[in-house]
Amino acid sequence: NAGVMQNPRHLVRRRGQEARLRCSPMKGHSHVYWYRQLPEEGLKFMVYLQKENIIDESGMPKERFSAEFPKEGPSILRIQQVVRGDSAAYFCASSPEGGRPYEQYFGPGTRLTVT
Amino acid sequence: DAKTTQPPSMDCAEGRAANLPCNHSTISGNEYVYWYRQIHSQGPQYIIHGLKNNETNEMASLIITEDRKSSTLILPHATLRDTAVYYCIVRNNQGGKLIFGQGTELSVKP
Repeated sequence: NAGVMQNPRHLVRRRGQEARLRCSPMKGHSHVYWYRQLPEEGLKFMVYLQKENIIDESGMPKERFSAEFPKEGPSILRIQQVVRGDSAAYFCASSPEGGRPYEQYFGPGTRLTVT
Repeated sequence: DAKTTQPPSMDCAEGRAANLPCNHSTISGNEYVYWYRQIHSQGPQYIIHGLKNNETNEMASLIITEDRKSSTLILPHATLRDTAVYYCIVRNNQGGKLIFGQGTELSVKP
């Protein structure tokens, strides 16, 4: 069973460009979470999604950030008009429907660098 | 979710047991204690969780005090690959976000 996959692993964007980060959850998992880790800081929750629904977006910045988890395909975290302060590692996690939803399995992360 | 307090850093000799403490004095009756770790530059990894009984799996043991106000994660024979930041998180057993504190940076030394 493949783990959580994220791509790209490294992404470089110039200020003002858009960044799209992709997350494929583990097989059979229908819950996806996004976390951000700024340099030298801890992990911060951003958003929690189930298929086609946003469950909790309390950690998402109000502007420029959006997330989706369509019925088919990976979850996408989209950052519009990136700024240098968006440079961070973005981690995606997934958990199963039923069973043990409290266990979250993390991907390797996408490291975004804004120049 | 209840807050937790962990020492910022600890050292452990390779092959010895690593005992990582966590205080969670405001834990409520339906909240579990979870441990995750993050090896440098990798995504966090689930280790173990428990409610009130001690738990053991292939990675570690979790000892929870009788009053549930504190717990200890035990890595019985630490290796260099166990060097990581260890996070103690207290929450219910439903789905939803994890709130990571600063954790304990464990350094396993040869």
